[in-house]
Amino acid sequence: QSVLTQPPSASGTPGQRVTISCSGSSSNIGNNYVYWYQQFPGTAPKLLIYRNNQRPSGVPDRFSGSKSGTSASLAITGLRSEDESDYYCAAWDDRLKSVLFGGGTKMTVL
Amino acid sequence: QVQLVESGGGVVQPGRSLRLSCAASGFIFNSYDMYWVRQAPGKGLEWVVVVSYDGRNEYYADSVKGRFTVSRDNSKNTLYLQMNSLKTEDTAVYFCAKGDTVITPYLDYWGRGTLVTVSS
Repeated sequence: QSVLTQPPSASGTPGQRVTISCSGSSSNIGNNYVYWYQQFPGTAPKLLIYRNNQRPSGVPDRFSGSKSGTSASLAITGLRSEDESDYYCAAWDDRLKSVLFGGGTKMTVL
Repeated sequence: QVQLVESGGGVVQPGRSLRLSCAASGFIFNSYDMYWVRQAPGKGLEWVVVVSYDGRNEYYADSVKGRFTVSRDNSKNTLYLQMNSLKTEDTAVYFCAKGDTVITPYLDYWGRGTLVTVSS
C-alpha cells in the first residue's frame, strides 16, 4: 500500500478536462515538491511535471500540476487518445527518508 | 544525448545474488544523484535506492535494506546494484534513472530497464 494515494483509474472523453489526485501527509507532499510521471506499457516512465507545476521541455501545456497542503493534482485539458497511459505522483518523505511513488492511475480515454 | 543502459538481469533462484549495472553517457555523471526504481509485473513503480553524486549518501527502501547495496564508479560512469538474498518478491524490471544535484525524485532520464526474475 502506497503512502501517496492515487485513484486506481480515471477516464474522460476526448477534449474533456480530467484530474488525478495524489494525497499524502505533512512529511512528504506537505513539505516537499511533487513530481508526476507518465508511463506507457512496456516502456520507461517519463517525467511529466516537476516541482509541483513545472513542465519539462517538450511536455504539452495541456498537462499541469498543482499542490495544496498535503495533496497534489495533475490536470489534463483537451484530453487526447494518446494520453491513455499510467500516471504516477512522487515525493520525498522527510520522516521515512525515502522516495515515495503513488500507486498509479490508469487513464482511459473513452 | 543522455543514455542509461542497464544490464545484468536474468533468472536467479531465491537466496542467490545478482549484480546490476547501469552505464551512463551524455551528461556529467559525477554531478548527479542516481536512482534504482523497480516495477513488478503488472504493478506500480517502487523506489529502491538513491545514491548521491559523490557516493557518500545512500538511502534504501525498507523492502531492500540490508540486502541490496548501491555503488557507483564515477571514473567509469557506471551505477551498480548488488542484490543479495533475493526473494521472489524482488522479481521486477529494474530501471536506473538520473536524478538531480540534490536528493529529490526529479528523474529526468530513465534506462529501458532490465528484468530480474527470482524463481526456483
